[in-house]
Order: sequence, then structure tokens, then C-alpha cells
Amino acid sequence: GENVEQHPSTLSVQEGDSAVIKCTYSDSASNYFPWYKQELGKGPQLIIDIRSNVGEKKDQRIAVTLNKTAKHFSLHITETQPEDSAVYFCAASKRNQGGKLIFGQGTELSVKP
Amino acid sequence: NAGVTQTPKFQVLKTGQSMTLQCAQDMNHNSMYWYRQDPGMGLRLIYYSASEGTTDKGEVPNGYNVSRLNKREFSLRLESAAPSQTSVYFCASSEGTRRDLNYEQYFGPGTRLTVT
Repeated sequence: GENVEQHPSTLSVQEGDSAVIKCTYSDSASNYFPWYKQELGKGPQLIIDIRSNVGEKKDQRIAVTLNKTAKHFSLHITETQPEDSAVYFCAASKRNQGGKLIFGQGTELSVKP
Repeated sequence: NAGVTQTPKFQVLKTGQSMTLQCAQDMNHNSMYWYRQDPGMGLRLIYYSASEGTTDKGEVPNGYNVSRLNKREFSLRLESAAPSQTSVYFCASSEGTRRDLNYEQYFGPGTRLTVT
């Protein structure tokens, strides 16, 4: 079955710097790749997603890139702010699989003022 | 509009006890999901329901049962709790149709369960 590996497990940056989190997936049939942000004591919340027919997607300070050949995708956060501090999860899913998401292990991002 | 609600927020069980975790959504979503979250392992899908009256196994279904009571509610039952089921449980819902269920999933606040 699908396996998603996420790196790094922890990431500390200075406010204003960029942060990059990387994920690799094993199943070449995966075609949907969301990123979720989880704040302490809360459920995950979608921040951006990308489908396999595009290579990059941006939403203000957040961008996701997808390399289908290498089977990896990355989250880029620019001009980081303290409120970006949270745990970030990548996930992968295939069409007609009941919306089953396979999650990576998570990255704890800390943005220091 | 409350989104996805879960009860209880916290629960402590003894080994062998049973309990049901409740989940409800008010977004008229078709699909609902149960995940467990353990340190260093991300979220793992236990069961899901693509529509009222249907349920399917996820990655880690052993030791659990589910009921899609109606379109709004999806419950998770532990018949005989074990310490390995100590975890944080999240319910989620999505508007996805059967044809392509890759839509945003909205998560509840979670239930923290401890089995001693």
C-alpha cells in the first residue's frame, strides 16, 4: 500500500525566514496531495492541496510543488511568522479510494521571533 | 454552524471496558472518517463511510466498529479496550461524492482516550 515519508520531523526558523518541508510517496497512482496544519489541542486544518495535473500551487505565503517523476512534494512557507508555529502533515490519496488519506509523520515547525 | 463535533473530549477506560465515541457534522457532507493520532506516526485511518449506510475499513480497523447512524452522525465503538488503543481520536467529514472523494476533510477537535 501507499507509504508517505515526511522530513524533517522538527524545524526551527527565525521569523521572516523561509521553511521547507518535504514528503515522498510510494504509490505512483496517488493523485491528490493535501497539507494540513495542526495547532496544539486542535484538529488538523487544510492549508493547501495540489492535484497531480499541476506542478505548483501558491496561496499568499504558502506554496506546494509536486514532482511526479520523483514522487515527492514539498511545502514552502515564506516570510514565516510566529503564528505559523504548529505541526504540519502531508498526505496522499488516490482516486476512487473512498477519500482515504495516507499521512506523513508530521513536522513540528517553530518560528522564533 | 458548528462544523464537526466530537464527544467526549477526554475519557479514561480500564482494559476490557467498552465505549462509543460520537461524531456529528452539520455541513451536509457525504463522507465521514475516523482517525487515530499517535506520537511520531501521523494520523491513521480506522474506518470511513462514503455515504449513509456504507462503511469501509481503513489502515488500522482491528479492535473497532463503526456505525453511520444517519448522514450527520458517525460513531466509533471500542468493544473491549486495550492499552494499545490509547490515542487521540479524530473524526472528519468531506463533501466528496462516490466518483472522486478527494475533497477537503474537516476535522473535529478530537477525543483523548487513555486505557489503563
